[in-house]
Amino acid sequence: GEDVEQSLFLSVREGDSSVINCTYTDSSSTYLYWYKQEPGAGLQLLTYIFSNMDMKQDQRLTVLLNKKDKHLSLRIADTQTGDSAIYFCAERVPGGFKTIFGAGTRLFVKA
Amino acid sequence: DGGITQSPKYLFRKEGQNVTLSCEQNLNHDAMYWYRQDPGQGLRLIYYSQIVNDFQKGDIAEGYSVSREKKESFPLTVTSAQKNPTAFYLCASSPRTGGGNTIYFGEGSWLTVV
Repeated sequence: GEDVEQSLFLSVREGDSSVINCTYTDSSSTYLYWYKQEPGAGLQLLTYIFSNMDMKQDQRLTVLLNKKDKHLSLRIADTQTGDSAIYFCAERVPGGFKTIFGAGTRLFVKA
Repeated sequence: DGGITQSPKYLFRKEGQNVTLSCEQNLNHDAMYWYRQDPGQGLRLIYYSQIVNDFQKGDIAEGYSVSREKKESFPLTVTSAQKNPTAFYLCASSPRTGGGNTIYFGEGSWLTVV
């Protein structure tokens, strides 16, 4: 069945790069997303990548997609304390309106 | 500004009561969704609606009900049949076509049973 898995926690020092990883099961997924959630707030769309792309870069964010291994990663360069949040990976299941979310990775940034 | 507005932000429910969470969007999106978020878990889909006057059950619809009488509005009622309703509820919407049907979220509503 459809599933998205992420590690639950990541801790980095301010100024370092963060890499958040995600694996998904549905090889027919068309779009894969990264969302950010700050405490007590909704999910904010950070970026997305179409399944025919390998990489997408947007300022400090780099998304890498390995379709063969069904692996998606989000790299945040020069991580700041304001990046502390929960990051959700999600895949769009084709043919319908269903988006599957992972459990979220909580990023801690130490000053 | 365009967006999704959820209200109230915090809601307390007594045992046996029904409560309704409001969700309004002015993005002209066709599809709307309700998700439930529990600590340490991903988002679970309660109900979704692709068009006015139509909606489908998601993965955890039991104890919940919805209506979609207007394109902009998709209220969620948490009924007394929902045995563990304390959670963070997220409303979302997406365009019917284009943009990969990317989902956009409201700011969420906290429901606590007292």
